[in-house]
Order: sequence, then structure tokens, then C-alpha cells
Amino acid sequence: GDSVTQMEGPVTLSEEAFLTINCTYTATGYPSLFWYVQYPGEGLQLLLKATKADDKGSNKGFEATYRKETTSFHLEKGSVQVSDSAVYFCALNFGNEKLTFGTGTRLTIIP
Amino acid sequence: DVKVTQSSRYLVKRTGEKVFLECVQDMDHENMFWYRQDPGLGLRLIYFSYDVKMKEKGDIPEGYSVSREKKERFSLILESASTNQTSMYLCASRLRVGRDYEQYFGPGTRLTVT
Repeated sequence: GDSVTQMEGPVTLSEEAFLTINCTYTATGYPSLFWYVQYPGEGLQLLLKATKADDKGSNKGFEATYRKETTSFHLEKGSVQVSDSAVYFCALNFGNEKLTFGTGTRLTIIP
Repeated sequence: DVKVTQSSRYLVKRTGEKVFLECVQDMDHENMFWYRQDPGLGLRLIYFSYDVKMKEKGDIPEGYSVSREKKERFSLILESASTNQTSMYLCASRLRVGRDYEQYFGPGTRLTVT
């Protein structure tokens, strides 16, 4: 079946560091790909998405590019802030079907 | 703004109790979902509903049931709570955007069963 694999956390970085959170997927076909973020004490929010190969999703300084060749959708940010501390989830789906989530990566940014 | 609300942020129940978790969305979305979130396991789908009075089992429906009598409300029921149902429960509703769907989540209910 379809699956999403994320890098294990927790990840701790200093403010202004470069961030990469790896995400790879296994699916038959070409799903839509998503990154969700969960801030402390809150539900998940859609951060960005990409619906086809080579699409780049971006939001709040975060970016991720849909790479069909490597079945990846890595999340990147050039300069992280303390306010980016959260849990990040990679997910995929096909159209009307349910979302399949990765296990989440906890990110902590220290000043 | 889409708003998904859940009846409680924190809940403590005893083993064997019947537990109701309520979820309400205010955007007339047809599709609604219940997940549980556990460390190291991510989100796992319990049940979902495509429309009023419709329900479909997700990946881990055992020990749970649901009710969708009105479009805006989707209830999760633990018929007889057990300690292994201690978890964070997240409700979501879904909107179609082009060929895709975007899910909106509530803040979650942290349930402890003692």
C-alpha cells in the first residue's frame, strides 16, 4: 500500500540555521503531496502542497519540490526562527482518497 | 476562515465508560474524519464520513463507532473505553480545491483513560 517515510526526530537547530526534513513516499501512480505543521497545543495546518512532478510548494519561507525520480518531497527553509518549532508531517493522497501521513518530525529551534 | 471545533481539549475517563467526542465544522464540508495521533505512529484514520448518515471504516476502527446525523457534526464514540485508547484525537473536515482536497483540522482532544 501507499506509505510515507519521514526522517526521525527530534531535530534541534539554532535560530537562522538551514532546515531540511526528508520525506520519501511509496505509491502506485502520482499522488498529491503535502506538508502539514502542528504547533504546540493545536491541530494540524496545511503548510504547503504540490500536485504533480516538479511542482514546488511554498509558504512562510518553507519550500518543497515534488521529485518523481527520487519519490521525495523534502521540506526546506533557509533561515529558521524560534516560532517554527512544531511537529511537521508529510502526507500524500490520490484525489478523493484518504490522506496517508508520515510519523511526524518534531523540530525545536533554540535562540 | 474554516473552523473545526472539538468539544473538549482534555478529557479523563475511567475504563469501561462510554465516551463521546464531538466535532463541529462551520463550512458546510461534506467529508469529515476522525484520527488518533500517537508518538512514533503519526496520524491513523479511525473513521470517516462522506456525507450525512454515511460512514466508512478507516485503518483502526476497532473499539470505536461514529455518528453523523447532521452535516456539520461528526461524533466519535468509544463504546467501552480502555487504557489503550489513551491518545490525542483529531477531527478534520475536507474541502475540494480544484482536483485536490484540503483538510482542516480541529485542535484535538487529549483523552486519558485510567
